[in-house]
Amino acid sequence: QVQLQESGPGLVKPSQTLSLTCTVSGDSISRNGYYWNWIRQYPGKGLEWIGYINHSGSTDYNPSLQSRVSMSADTSHNQFSLKLSSVTAADTAVYYCARDVGSHYVSYGMAVWGQGTTVTVSS
Amino acid sequence: QSVLTQPPSSSGTPGQEVTISCSGSSSNIGSYYVYWYQQLPGTAPKLLIYRNNQRPSGVPDRFSGSKSGTSASLAISGLRSEDETDYYCAAWDDSLNAWVFGGGTKVTVL
Repeated sequence: QVQLQESGPGLVKPSQTLSLTCTVSGDSISRNGYYWNWIRQYPGKGLEWIGYINHSGSTDYNPSLQSRVSMSADTSHNQFSLKLSSVTAADTAVYYCARDVGSHYVSYGMAVWGQGTTVTVSS
Repeated sequence: QSVLTQPPSSSGTPGQEVTISCSGSSSNIGSYYVYWYQQLPGTAPKLLIYRNNQRPSGVPDRFSGSKSGTSASLAISGLRSEDETDYYCAAWDDSLNAWVFGGGTKVTVL
């Protein structure tokens, strides 16, 4: 059974870079057709898609965050990572990683999610 | 302000049917599949409906999805106490080039 687990600092100072890792067990991040997403949920409960990295290492980011986001994959550890630079209090949220199958044209939905990790931006 | 519009709340008595709407535009719901997620308190969203009306394995057939034009709906029939939680719709938006979500609907079982 595939499981995803987010990890990283729970507190980040303003203007610094938020770095999170999602460790995948029970499946390979290199499996063809898989898209590995980051989504965040604000304290007011709104959900925002941050971006994805797919099985071949291609990325797509939410244009609203594109200038500050980067994602990468480490196939040797079966992990993928998120970096969000120049953070402010507005980036305070619960961050989730999630697996999708298929591109947005033919997606089967984000059927597997990590438990989420709370990141607070504060000095 | 969410790109997809959902009512903030909906309610029903046990056994009733509740319908949650999700309104979008031609750049999202009008052109792409709709997905529904259920989120219990303190947990990650769970995929409830994919590709407008398909249920993942293990999701009860009390949950059903539909789409017409630029709107979609989630119906919960035979409402049960454990259905009392938050529901979100989602779709790809090609003008924003991003997955977009509704603001969420809190279902209350009276």
